Amino acid sequence: TQLLEQSPQFLSIQEGENLTVYCNSSSVFSSLQWYRQEPGEGPVLLVTVVTGGEVKKLKRLTFQFGDARKDSSLHITAAQPGDTGLYLCAGVVQGAQKLVFGQGTRLTINP
Amino acid sequence: EPEVTQTPSHQVTQMGQEVILRCVPISNHLYFYWYRQILGQKVEFLVSFYNNEISEKSEIFDDQFSVERPDGSNFTLKIRSTKLEDSAMYFCASSFYDEQFFGPGTRLTVL
Repeated sequence: TQLLEQSPQFLSIQEGENLTVYCNSSSVFSSLQWYRQEPGEGPVLLVTVVTGGEVKKLKRLTFQFGDARKDSSLHITAAQPGDTGLYLCAGVVQGAQKLVFGQGTRLTINP
Repeated sequence: EPEVTQTPSHQVTQMGQEVILRCVPISNHLYFYWYRQILGQKVEFLVSFYNNEISEKSEIFDDQFSVERPDGSNFTLKIRSTKLEDSAMYFCASSFYDEQFFGPGTRLTVL
């Protein structure tokens, strides 16, 4: 059974600070996706990383896929209140199409 | 921008009743999925569908569940005889390959 562990589960920081969310597994994934989910809504795709060691930037968000394609991180620079939300990592299982989700990181940015 | 749509947004049913949840995936996508999320828990994979047949299903997807693509645009999930524990958000997703795009979800409440 493939598992993805996200840490921390909860994070509350002040506006302007930097933060990193981690997503770890003992399994290898063919790709990894990061989503943001608002209460009562579906996950919204932020980015997909495919190649080991790949780094993608989306404005103040930086996503990295581990060299062995077992882990990933999301780094936010100068966090803003609009970044508040639930961030989910999800890995595509090798040889299959299904996504395995982490339990999510609930991020709160205080003004 | 193309998006996945789902209807209804909320369905309330009595235990033992049949429900059909409907989805319209993104038009040029090839893979279709159902996931569910019980309140406060991870998003869980139910089933994937490709080339008009189920390509993978989870242990949750037992004989009470079925999926169908009745025409070129709709993708449905049927629960034959609902149980209390089927209460959850159900998300439809579609992909051309790895990147999965999710609909807004149907909240199913079984009384």
